[in-house]
Amino acid sequence: IAGITQAPTSQILAAGRRMTLRCTQDMRHNAMYWYRQDLGLGLRLIHYSNTAGTTGKGEVPDGYSVSRANTDDFPLTLASAVPSQTSVYFCASSDSTGPHNEQFFGPGTRLTVL
Amino acid sequence: GQNIDQPTEMTATEGAIVQINCTYQTSGFNGLFWYQQHAGEAPTFLSYNVLDGLEEKGRFSSFLSRSKGYSYLLLKELQMKDSASYLCAANSGNTPLVFGKGTRLSVIA
Repeated sequence: IAGITQAPTSQILAAGRRMTLRCTQDMRHNAMYWYRQDLGLGLRLIHYSNTAGTTGKGEVPDGYSVSRANTDDFPLTLASAVPSQTSVYFCASSDSTGPHNEQFFGPGTRLTVL
Repeated sequence: GQNIDQPTEMTATEGAIVQINCTYQTSGFNGLFWYQQHAGEAPTFLSYNVLDGLEEKGRFSSFLSRSKGYSYLLLKELQMKDSASYLCAANSGNTPLVFGKGTRLSVIA
């Protein structure tokens, strides 16, 4: 693994189903983030984690949950998917959330909820 | 609250110069990031400004005025491959970045 990876690349999901999007980084970054990107709305932060064992809510957290059991992994779970959660999801990481902490983005997961 | 504004779309001609503006209102401002995002791909880092002034990096330059809450990204000698979205993002305190909605740049022949 080099950098930050996400799985799956894309997924079509029936409404009401549970889904976990996976994100793994090998840069030993402390901070990790989940964004959704929708046309005209830009990148919106869902949840973030400053360090393993801690998480925080972003701008649009409802309907999503995260966990950060270790440094490398930051899964995003949709407990009961709804069509409004159709989006492209990006995971990102940075050394910390302090100044000059460039975020590195994964390739994204394109999720369609029908 | 925090607010980032940038134009939605711009069009420019191959070989020309284009300036993409970004205004921000944040508390505890540290610096301003610019990212490039090609269609269907992830954002990638372009620049980070902390101090006032212009920072040049090849064909791309980024400017910051902290007193005015203003930044711009300057792209010179435009190439077709520069067609992409350009995202500005403000870094404040120890909180995650706040992104603008992005400016979609189309470079035409």
